[in-house]
Amino acid sequence: QVQLQESGPGLVKPSETLSLTCTVSGGSITSYYWTWIRQPPGKGLEWIGYIYYSGSTNYTPSLKSRVTISVDTSKNQFSLRLSSVTAADTAVYYCARRMWAAAPMDYWGQGTLVTVSS
Amino acid sequence: EIVMTQSPATLSVSPGEGATLACRASQSVSNYLAWYQQKVGQAPRLLIYGASTRATGIPARFSGSGSGTEFTLTISSLQSEDFAVYYCQQYNYWPDTFGQGTKLEI
Repeated sequence: QVQLQESGPGLVKPSETLSLTCTVSGGSITSYYWTWIRQPPGKGLEWIGYIYYSGSTNYTPSLKSRVTISVDTSKNQFSLRLSSVTAADTAVYYCARRMWAAAPMDYWGQGTLVTVSS
Repeated sequence: EIVMTQSPATLSVSPGEGATLACRASQSVSNYLAWYQQKVGQAPRLLIYGASTRATGIPARFSGSGSGTEFTLTISSLQSEDFAVYYCQQYNYWPDTFGQGTKLEI
């Protein structure tokens, strides 16, 4: 059974960079697409982007200038960096798997709340 | 960007009854439509993909239908564990987009 676990700071100061890592267990990170999604408190879901295990990426246009997703196949991990954060970036951040580019997310992490505040 | 609109925002139903949730896309997404269930404090769970295919382990009381721009999630004989928020998602066009959710309450 594939499991995903997000990790990283729960509090980030405005203008700084949010950094999260997702560790995949119970399966290999190769041959799949790995996604980040976020959900502001009390609101809906927003897709951030994905990375293929080979390193190719796709980001949502509204965040593209600030987002970097990377993968470390040796550690079975992928990561999210979001720069120049503001209070609007406060959200629960989820990592998830999709089997191919045009596919739904079939496995999700439990999510981690990141608050942007001084 | 494809806009996904769900209705109603909130649906009040009694246990044992059925429920029908709707999702509309701003343009055709073919059958690249998924439904997720999210309970408070939990990650979303994939219920339906390809508009009508149940994901692994999803009970038969959940069914999906539709194609193009109009989609429906039907839950027959609601159980207590079914009361949650449901989201539709299109994955035909990048970026993926989600509906705003329908809250299914007792």
